Amino acid sequence: DAGVTQSPTHLIKTRGQQVTLRCSPKSGHDTVSWYQQALGQGPQFIFQYYEEEERQRGNFPDRFSGHQFPNYSSELNVNALLLGDSALYLCASSLEGQETQYFGPGTRLLVL
Amino acid sequence: GDSVTQMEGPVTLSEEAFLTINCTYTATGYPSLFWYVQYPGEGLQLLLKATKADDKGSNKGFEATYRKETTSFHLEKGSVQVSDSAVYFCALSPSYSGGGADGLTFGKGTHLIIQP
Repeated sequence: DAGVTQSPTHLIKTRGQQVTLRCSPKSGHDTVSWYQQALGQGPQFIFQYYEEEERQRGNFPDRFSGHQFPNYSSELNVNALLLGDSALYLCASSLEGQETQYFGPGTRLLVL
Repeated sequence: GDSVTQMEGPVTLSEEAFLTINCTYTATGYPSLFWYVQYPGEGLQLLLKATKADDKGSNKGFEATYRKETTSFHLEKGSVQVSDSAVYFCALSPSYSGGGADGLTFGKGTHLIIQP
């Protein structure tokens, strides 16, 4: 049973650029959440997708956007990158009606 | 808003010592509480959870009891091993509305180091 997978594992970008991160949920899961984990900090909730729509959003600017596809996979897009966007981006999946979220290994983004 | 406070680390213990990592929370209603563990270079793994007051979550020798009166969910283990070295995160999910998982609120994490 495949767990949550994310790609790429590492990424280096320059300030002002745009980035797209990808996530495939655990088999059978239909809900995807994204988190940002700065170095030495706990993860911060960005947003959650269900039925191809953004259902919840944390305190992140509009530069952060996402998408969910019919196969439940998801993308996180960040525009106009800032140095402060450097972090580990975690994807978590869950099944509608259940609370527990399962996390992927993350994508480490470095903005220079 | 909701918040989670954990004891600051790093916490350094000898093998077979008793472990307690404190976690307290602020939330309205009846949140669900979780402990996640993050090994070096990896994502988060769910360690245990509790969904209502006085519930005890347990897994791999770790335990935590949901104490609503003290708004706490302290993590304990009777005898730690070197392999338990990792970062531990306490987290909460808002009062369950039945619509599915909500965005989690995490503490800052506690780095645990177990020495042989």
